[in-house]
Amino acid sequence: RKEVEQDPGPFNVPEGATVAFNCTYSNSASQSFFWYRQDCRKEPKLLMSVYSSGNEDGRFTAQLNRASQYISLLIRDSKLSDSATYLCVVNREGYSTLTFGKGTMLLVSP
Amino acid sequence: DVKVTQSSRYLVKRTGEKVFLECVQDMDHENMFWYRQDPGLGLRLIYFSYDVKMKEKGDIPEGYSVSREKKERFSLILESASTNQTSMYLCASSLVTRQNYGYTFGSGTRLTVV
Repeated sequence: RKEVEQDPGPFNVPEGATVAFNCTYSNSASQSFFWYRQDCRKEPKLLMSVYSSGNEDGRFTAQLNRASQYISLLIRDSKLSDSATYLCVVNREGYSTLTFGKGTMLLVSP
Repeated sequence: DVKVTQSSRYLVKRTGEKVFLECVQDMDHENMFWYRQDPGLGLRLIYFSYDVKMKEKGDIPEGYSVSREKKERFSLILESASTNQTSMYLCASSLVTRQNYGYTFGSGTRLTVV
């Protein structure tokens, strides 16, 4: 099983739609979880951390299911500017290093 | 905001050249990292450093070395550049004690080896 797995997409959705991405991770000892956003030919930028109780930031909601070892990201009311690749990120046990999934591409159309 | 600056946005080098990629961060972060990103392979960790003069191998260190003489600067060195090292190189930094802080990335160096 790969350390962090994501559906590469692309997910094609119209503006205003709700879209959800899932990600699975293999290391049950992982403690830190994030979603990053990466625009085409740009660097990844932290979108949000993911907490055990779930957390929300505006139109974005992140959930963590430790028992099943998956993380989700829900985007409500999609905007054209949400078009990007979303990277699921998990820390490695005992290290401050992070493992990045290969990303899920989202395309929001008018 | 934390700023991570990579010295070059685009570089073209010849096979066999020694290449230096520089990265500087301005927020006194202990941790610094070098990744490369390739289509279909995602981000792969090359080297990282927890402190001055400390370095640890990542997943793909072969053909690379690093230097951290000052806390704010982390250099990636390609000892003898090869075409398979053509890639986007990303530097990142983070605080060591805040696991939920995540990384801040530089804007990347797109290296082409011809």
